[in-house]
Amino acid sequence: NAGVTQTPKFRVLKTGQSMTLLCAQDMNHEYMYWYRQDPGMGLRLIHYSVGEGTTAKGEVPDGYNVSRLKKQNFLLGLESAAPSQTSVYFCASRETNQPQHFGDGTRLSIL
Amino acid sequence: LAKTTQPISMDSYEGQEVNITCSHNNIATNDYITWYQQFPSQGPRFIIQGYKTKVTNEVASLFIPADRKSSTLSLPRVSLSDTAVYYCLVALTSGNTGKLIFGQGTTLQVKP
Repeated sequence: NAGVTQTPKFRVLKTGQSMTLLCAQDMNHEYMYWYRQDPGMGLRLIHYSVGEGTTAKGEVPDGYNVSRLKKQNFLLGLESAAPSQTSVYFCASRETNQPQHFGDGTRLSIL
Repeated sequence: LAKTTQPISMDSYEGQEVNITCSHNNIATNDYITWYQQFPSQGPRFIIQGYKTKVTNEVASLFIPADRKSSTLSLPRVSLSDTAVYYCLVALTSGNTGKLIFGQGTTLQVKP
């Protein structure tokens, strides 16, 4: 039982490049989340999903897109990366009435 | 969604009891209160969750007064390894609302 797995763990991009971050959970959870955390700051919700095939905007959705085609996977896409998107990205999942389980994060630098 | 307010930082010494209070004045009837711990370079980790009165587990206690407008996380006899950021989260956990927003967190520094 791996819990929540994020891929990749580290990535460096150039401004304007695109990439997709993958979050996979093996706990059959309904809810999945993407947060970003800038140095010395708290977590900010980007997008979330309440079930397979659904997505919703969080606090800071601009510049990001998401998809939840399979229940166990939640993808976060950056279409045209900007230096302001340099951050640590955390994925989480949970079941109804239960706390969130977090992954170990993806450290993304955009030059 | 209920907004939470916590102290930005706290200092303590090894062996002391630490109490971190979170204010959530507009908590809704169905909202639960959840606390997470986060170490540098790691994702947050669940500590404790409660709805009212007192909840205790092997690592912490959570005190919630009758009006539920605040809650207090109590860490007994802290050690250096308890140095971390602690987040209070208030959210509807039933139904399909799903949206969970973290507050700024409290940085706890435990000194020898």
